[in-house]
Amino acid sequence: ELKVEQNPLFLSMQEGKNYTIYCNYSTTSDRLYWYRQDPGKSLESLFVLLSNGAVKQEGRLMASLDTKARLSTLHITAAVHDLSATYFCAVTVSNFGNEKLTFGTGTRLTIIP
Amino acid sequence: NAGVTQTPKFQVLKTGQSMTLQCAQDMNHEYMSWYRQDPGMGLRLIHYSVGAGITDQGEVPNGYNVSRSTTEDFPLRLLSAAPSQTSVYFCASNPDRDPLNTEAFFGQGTRLTVV
Repeated sequence: ELKVEQNPLFLSMQEGKNYTIYCNYSTTSDRLYWYRQDPGKSLESLFVLLSNGAVKQEGRLMASLDTKARLSTLHITAAVHDLSATYFCAVTVSNFGNEKLTFGTGTRLTIIP
Repeated sequence: NAGVTQTPKFQVLKTGQSMTLQCAQDMNHEYMSWYRQDPGMGLRLIHYSVGAGITDQGEVPNGYNVSRSTTEDFPLRLLSAAPSQTSVYFCASNPDRDPLNTEAFFGQGTRLTVV
């Protein structure tokens, strides 16, 4: 059974600081996704990482994927308040040819002024 | 462009009642899925479909039925609601079928309370 673990689960950080959220998964997969969810809202796609060594950046967020270590990171640079949200990673696993998306438990990020 | 539309947004049911959560997408996506979101547990896959007439179980399928008679619609049925089914339900669709090389598009969610 695929397990996707994120840490930390909760993160409170000051504006202007840097931090990294980690996503570990338990089985072979070379596709990983990051989503953002604001309170009471739906999920919004941030990044799709499709191969080992993939790195993508959007604004103050950068995501990377190491399939050999089964690890993805979401790095936040010089955090600002509007990055406060819950961040989810998700991994696909093939089920007899059909793929299923499995989510981590999420990291609730709070940026303090 | 409506994307993925879920109805209703909120629902309160009594234990034992049945209901259908509706999900429709207008993007001609083959892959559709239902998740439930509970505090501290992320999103868990209930059922998914890779195309009209094809459905399969996810991680937590018990107590839920689905069907996929058209590409656009993927309703989720609760046969006999239980308090353990109190949750926020999200429907999602993907442009890809296998492999999933692009992101999923999510509906706005249905907040269901079973009393």
